[in-house]
Amino acid sequence: NAGVTQTPKFQVLKTGQSMTLQCAQDMNHEYMSWYRQDPGMGLRLIHYSVGAGITDQGEVPNGYNVSRSTTEDFPLRLLSAAPSQTSVYFCASSYSSPASGGRVTGELFFGEGSRLTVL
Amino acid sequence: EDQVTQSPEALRLQEGESSSLNCSYTVSGLRGLFWYRQDPGKGPEFLFTLYSAGEEKEKERLKATLTKKESFLHITAPKPEDSATYLCAVQSASGGSYIPTFGRGTSLIVHP
Repeated sequence: NAGVTQTPKFQVLKTGQSMTLQCAQDMNHEYMSWYRQDPGMGLRLIHYSVGAGITDQGEVPNGYNVSRSTTEDFPLRLLSAAPSQTSVYFCASSYSSPASGGRVTGELFFGEGSRLTVL
Repeated sequence: EDQVTQSPEALRLQEGESSSLNCSYTVSGLRGLFWYRQDPGKGPEFLFTLYSAGEEKEKERLKATLTKKESFLHITAPKPEDSATYLCAVQSASGGSYIPTFGRGTSLIVHP
């Protein structure tokens, strides 16, 4: 059982380069999200999606792009990398539940993370 | 705006020395409070959900409790393998918001 799979695990970019972080889940979860985690800052939400074709911005969306063409996949695109985007990125998914009023539960399933360095 | 404050930021314990981690929250109606464990170089792993004041959940040496303003994660007779960062998150019941808000975590080190 794979759960949430992120690739690559490590990536080094030069300023201005573009790249895509991949995220796939095999649990049929409708909710998927991207976080970045920096020392002393905790987890900050970048973008999220409540289903195929639906995306929305989180707390720190600038410089990042997402799309959700299928339930399983939620790629995160960096269009022109900057040193401030050096971070560890986590993809997470979740499901709706009667216990959470039919809404998406806060029980998130996280990937292993992608460590990105921008020089 | 939902807020989550965890304390202490870091905690060092000797093996067997019980203690508690605190998660204070401000939210417009609590839908759920969540505890996660994060090992170095890994993604957070879900531990518990608490829905209402007075609720308690247990798993091995961990017990999570909830009041109207805070949650505690009690660690009884910890072992070195309990060393990790523990994250708390809350989900608001108000409006259409369902995105959980995370605290910055407590880094726990248990020495043998």
